[in-house]
Amino acid sequence: DAGVTQSPTHLIKTRGQHVTLRCSPISGHKSVSWYQQVLGQGPQFIFQYYEKEERGRGNFPDRFSARQFPNYSSELNVNALLLGDSALYLCASSLLAPEELFFGSGTQLSVL
Amino acid sequence: AQSVAQPEDQVNVAEGNPLTVKCTYSVSGNPYLFWYVQYPNRGLQFLLKYITGDNLVKGSYGFEAEFNKSQTSFHLKKPSALVSDSALYFCAVRGRFDSNYQLIWGAGTKLIIKP
Repeated sequence: DAGVTQSPTHLIKTRGQHVTLRCSPISGHKSVSWYQQVLGQGPQFIFQYYEKEERGRGNFPDRFSARQFPNYSSELNVNALLLGDSALYLCASSLLAPEELFFGSGTQLSVL
Repeated sequence: AQSVAQPEDQVNVAEGNPLTVKCTYSVSGNPYLFWYVQYPNRGLQFLLKYITGDNLVKGSYGFEAEFNKSQTSFHLKKPSALVSDSALYFCAVRGRFDSNYQLIWGAGTKLIIKP
């Protein structure tokens, strides 16, 4: 079975632009979570979705939004990019919290 | 506020020796506790979790962790370290009744196993 897949793997944007990151969960997993990981730090929780509904939101500005589709895949959108948004964005899927999370390899976003 | 502390940025252990990676937490109510490992250029991998029951939890690759409620700790241990255990280890916690389903992560501890 395929693991969690994220696209793209790397992305370079300039300040003020918009970005969309995509995630496909493991087959059968209905929960998707998004995390931001800055180099040298632990992941920071952004969103969790279950059955297409937002179940949790971290302390991120409204420039960050997400959604989950009927096939349980998910998108993370970030508007008006700032230099500080440069990070590794991780997607994780699970059957249901607090089950173990299965992580994708992430999207490395660089904002110039 | 919920928080996780991993007091050691780096832990160095000789191969074959026991290892301990420390984690303390602060959360409202009873916790769900997790350990994950991150190898270079690879995603995070689940090692083990404490939900309820026995305080000693056994996980993948021979790792185990002990939940200590009075000390609010969840230290990761392995009786005999392997060079291949060298990686970045993260402790994470969530409050059992946290309606936000937010997992709080420590900053990570780099584990280096020397031959």
